[in-house]
Amino acid sequence: AQKVTQAQTEISVVEKEDVTLDCVYETRDTTYYLFWYKQPPSGELVFLIRRNSFDEQNEISGRYSWNFQKSTSSFNFTITASQVVDSAVYFCALNFQGAQKLVFGQGTRLTINP
Amino acid sequence: DTAVSQTPKYLVTQMGNDKSIKCEQNLGHDTMYWYKQDSKKFLKIMFSYNNKELIINETVPNRFSPKSPDKAHLNLHINSLELGDSAVYFCASSQEGATNEKLFFGSGTQLSVL
Repeated sequence: AQKVTQAQTEISVVEKEDVTLDCVYETRDTTYYLFWYKQPPSGELVFLIRRNSFDEQNEISGRYSWNFQKSTSSFNFTITASQVVDSAVYFCALNFQGAQKLVFGQGTRLTINP
Repeated sequence: DTAVSQTPKYLVTQMGNDKSIKCEQNLGHDTMYWYKQDSKKFLKIMFSYNNKELIINETVPNRFSPKSPDKAHLNLHINSLELGDSAVYFCASSQEGATNEKLFFGSGTQLSVL
């Protein structure tokens, strides 16, 4: 079965703190792709990153970084020096070979307080 | 220019009515999708179309009927609306529907059935 679990339903931190959003996935496929999407209060879904199963390099984009570990089936997302504008629901998603669909986790609601 | 646009943004209707949500993408993509987001923010695929052909129908009641007049449009018609249909419906598109493609989402249609 293909499944994505985001165990943290809600996280609340104070601005400038670092915060990590956890994502654990299950798949039997050897070829798959992992994604993170952001859903701000305005409601749209914004693509953040895509990572394939053969590329375990971590990635950094500004204050955002992603840690992909196949050994633990995790694809965690860290925001450094968080800002109020980072407040959103964040979704981790999995797309496996031939499926042509994204399987989403339950989402983590992140609130950054000033 | 909005890449994926869907209308209306809000739809309030009575039980038993029939309603449609329209979606258009100007990205030249071949594949379009409908996703449903429930009140707990859980996102699940409903349908996908590739070049006007139905690819995925994810155990959706047959009261829901997607229609794709051309590859730039994927409309969703819902018959005999029920209370449980209340949700946010997202249209999305991707280049080829391949496993590694990122999805571009519309801004969502919030459907409220009274």
